[in-house]
Amino acid sequence: TQLLEQSPQFLSIQEGENLTVYCNSSSVFSSLQWYRQEPGEGPVLLVTVVTGGEVKKLKRLTFQFGDARKDSSLHITAAQPGDTGLYLCAGARTNAGKSTFGDGTTLTVKP
Amino acid sequence: GAVVSQHPSWVICKSGTSVKIECRSLDFQATTMFWYRQFPKQSLMLMATSNEGSKATYEQGVEKDKFLINHASLTLSTLTVTSAHPEDSSFYICSARDPGGPGTQYFGPGTRLLVL
Repeated sequence: TQLLEQSPQFLSIQEGENLTVYCNSSSVFSSLQWYRQEPGEGPVLLVTVVTGGEVKKLKRLTFQFGDARKDSSLHITAAQPGDTGLYLCAGARTNAGKSTFGDGTTLTVKP
Repeated sequence: GAVVSQHPSWVICKSGTSVKIECRSLDFQATTMFWYRQFPKQSLMLMATSNEGSKATYEQGVEKDKFLINHASLTLSTLTVTSAHPEDSSFYICSARDPGGPGTQYFGPGTRLLVL
């Protein structure tokens, strides 16, 4: 069983604060995705990382893939209420197979 | 990003009836689609992998005779919940794998099913 441990499970912060969400596994992934989901909607893709040590930025969001491609992090700078949602990481061992999802991080940003 | 649609967005049905949910990839062909179930404030639970032109692969514990999956074309997969019961009430989400991408899945907006 491929486990993808995501932490923290819940995070409640004030607007303007920074935060980091972690995704860890003992398995090596060929790629890893981060998604954001709002209540009653499907997950929306934020980023895909494929290279060990890769860093990608999306406005105030910074994504990093571990050197060994077993872990990843999502850092949000100066969080805003609009960042509120469920953040999911997903790892794929092959490009054609199914993905393993983390348990999700529920982020609440208070104005 | 790629667009995946789902229909209906919500459905209410009586216990014992069957409900069909459609998942379409609108701007790319998907040989592989996935069906998930999600409970409130939880992550996605993979139910099955839908393969175009062949039988679906079900995850352990998912009844294939209850959750019928058909992937008849490269842009359409359907999930039919047969003889639905209140415990089948849930949020069902499909995804389509980007054939050109490294394992990336694009998700539909989900279908809320309520069985009375």
